[in-house]
Amino acid sequence: DQQVKQNSPSLSVQEGRISILNCDYTNSMFDYFLWYKKYPAEGPTFLISISSIKDKNEDGRFTVFLNKSAKHLSLHIVPSQPGDSAVYFCAAYDYKLSFGAGTTVTVRA
Amino acid sequence: DAGVTQSPTHLIKTRGQQVTLRCSPKSGHDTVSWYQQALGQGPQFIFQYYEEEERQRGNFPDRFSGHQFPNYSSELNVNALLLGDSALYLCASSLGQGGSEAFFGQGTRLTVV
Repeated sequence: DQQVKQNSPSLSVQEGRISILNCDYTNSMFDYFLWYKKYPAEGPTFLISISSIKDKNEDGRFTVFLNKSAKHLSLHIVPSQPGDSAVYFCAAYDYKLSFGAGTTVTVRA
Repeated sequence: DAGVTQSPTHLIKTRGQQVTLRCSPKSGHDTVSWYQQALGQGPQFIFQYYEEEERQRGNFPDRFSGHQFPNYSSELNVNALLLGDSALYLCASSLGQGGSEAFFGQGTRLTVV
């Protein structure tokens, strides 16, 4: 049973524009949400997180938004850079991390 | 400061064999979790070790077992390998059993033929 879903397998964006990645979840017991970034042949790297008591968290070019009533979160990357091209995983935590299937982001020059 | 290290990086095994994967956590971390990532999917939680005991387990059969040593390093063992066990196996470390911000190793790519 997939409790965390990323419905867009890929996203292509022009350099300098905004990238918006979306994630939906079904388990209301999740109390912490994270985004990880993964390059080929490397393990996932922690990017940004948000507690369920907040609705927004910002870190430089990365902002995560949480809508608990809709069980939805999103990651905004502004401005997008070529080095942002990677697979992005949404993850949710109760006693373990549950991951979505990932969204492959390609930033075009 | 060394991050999470896993060995080996790649290996090929024959169906029915047994395999052991190893993980050294990030310095200062005491909890190790293992994940299986099949092609095109997100990582799936296998189990978590804390204080040398398995604390949480995902939906994986008993063929998957593990161990944590006093220095917090960990092993993942898989018996009676199936073709479907081919995947990237990721180790993640964190501080404390409730640590949510996990740091991942680069993974071990297991191919079962």
